[in-house]
Amino acid sequence: AQKVTQAQTEISVVEKEDVTLDCVYETRDTTYYLFWYKQPPSGELVFLIRRNSFDEQNEISGRYSWNFQKSTSSFNFTITASQVVDSAVYFCALNPGTASKLTFGTGTRLQVTL
Amino acid sequence: DAGVIQSPRHEVTEMGQEVTLRCKPISGHDYLFWYRQTMMRGLELLIYFNNNVPIDDSGMPEDRFSAKMPNASFSTLKIQPSEPRDSAVYFCASRGLAWNTGELFFGEGSRLTVL
Repeated sequence: AQKVTQAQTEISVVEKEDVTLDCVYETRDTTYYLFWYKQPPSGELVFLIRRNSFDEQNEISGRYSWNFQKSTSSFNFTITASQVVDSAVYFCALNPGTASKLTFGTGTRLQVTL
Repeated sequence: DAGVIQSPRHEVTEMGQEVTLRCKPISGHDYLFWYRQTMMRGLELLIYFNNNVPIDDSGMPEDRFSAKMPNASFSTLKIQPSEPRDSAVYFCASRGLAWNTGELFFGEGSRLTVL
């Protein structure tokens, strides 16, 4: 069975602080795909990144960066110099290589204040 | 290109009534997914289709729920009869890349309230 755990239910930071959202996953598949999605207050789900299990290279996109470590089954997401517009619920998700089902974590609500 | 289009955006109905949610996937995408989001259970996959054929409906809560995809550009999720515990946001999503690698593109969701 696949499982995604986001232990942080809610995080509050002040603008310009760095923040890391944790994601731990479980799967028996050797090939799998990890995703992060953002859900702003408006409610839609916005794709942020996809990473396959064979590529452990960290990725940076502007103020966003992702750290994938197979040894600890983690795929953490860091926002540098957070902004109010980053306030949203962030979901980590897993798609095993043997199926087409995307399993989501419970999400982390990030609140960035001035 | 237009994204995934869902309707209605909001639906308020009374217990026992039939509810039909609609979805138009992104053109060319051959996978379509229905998810439900609640505070208690988070995002749950209800059912997904490949080339209009239901592949996995193990997430459909009970017989009151049914989903169809009569053609590549349209899908419905029906609840009959509806109950207050069905209140949730229902998302439709489509995928166009390889079956297990591509990201899902989500619609804006249909917020259902059953009184």
